[in-house]
Amino acid sequence: DIVMTQTPLTSPVKLGQPASISCWSSQSLVHRDGNTYLNWLHQRPGQPPRPLIYQISSRFSDVPDRFSGSGAGRDFTLKISRVEAEDVGIYYCMQGTEFPYTFGQGTKLEIK
Amino acid sequence: QVQLVESGGGVVQPGTSLRLSCAASGFSFSSYGMHWVRQAPGKGLEWVAVIWFDGSNEYYLASVKGRFTISRDNSRNTLHLQMNSLRADDTGVYFCSRDNYGVLDYWGRGSLVTVSS
Repeated sequence: DIVMTQTPLTSPVKLGQPASISCWSSQSLVHRDGNTYLNWLHQRPGQPPRPLIYQISSRFSDVPDRFSGSGAGRDFTLKISRVEAEDVGIYYCMQGTEFPYTFGQGTKLEIK
Repeated sequence: QVQLVESGGGVVQPGTSLRLSCAASGFSFSSYGMHWVRQAPGKGLEWVAVIWFDGSNEYYLASVKGRFTISRDNSRNTLHLQMNSLRADDTGVYFCSRDNYGVLDYWGRGSLVTVSS
């Protein structure tokens, strides 16, 4: 199984400041079709996860452009350019390249 | 709009069975693979199982293989998870989710399963 590792596990950030979360996979996430199925999700307490980004860097239509994803192969990053209060919660990376799909441990974003 | 609504959760004793359902609406259910993902209390997300759009193939988390069965009824737009021989570590919220080319793009609100004596 592909192991997904996130850092940091907790990220205290001031409002208006940037935030960055890293995610590494134990093996390459490049699928035989050439795509890389690395996704980012956000979960607030008591709510289901909400997908933010798919295939490394493509944002879903309702996701603000302050969120961006980058990376390749085994090394990926989610960046928030200016953190807003609604961004608190837990962020997960998830690979959809092979079964079983696997998630990172989660990174808790909190306001400092 | 796309909606996924889970049902069937509850409190059960170890070793017993439970069947979860997920009612889908707002999209062509028979065109998408569907997943179950669970979350133990205070813990992260754990993928459980997937079924192909036409029901022709399934994959399971190693720890549930042989105990859980994922199935679907495309005529009724419904996804199921039959869970047998339940253990305490199966406790958690179970989400159904739609697969859209390697991303789980819609999620239900979840159904809580508690396995306790």
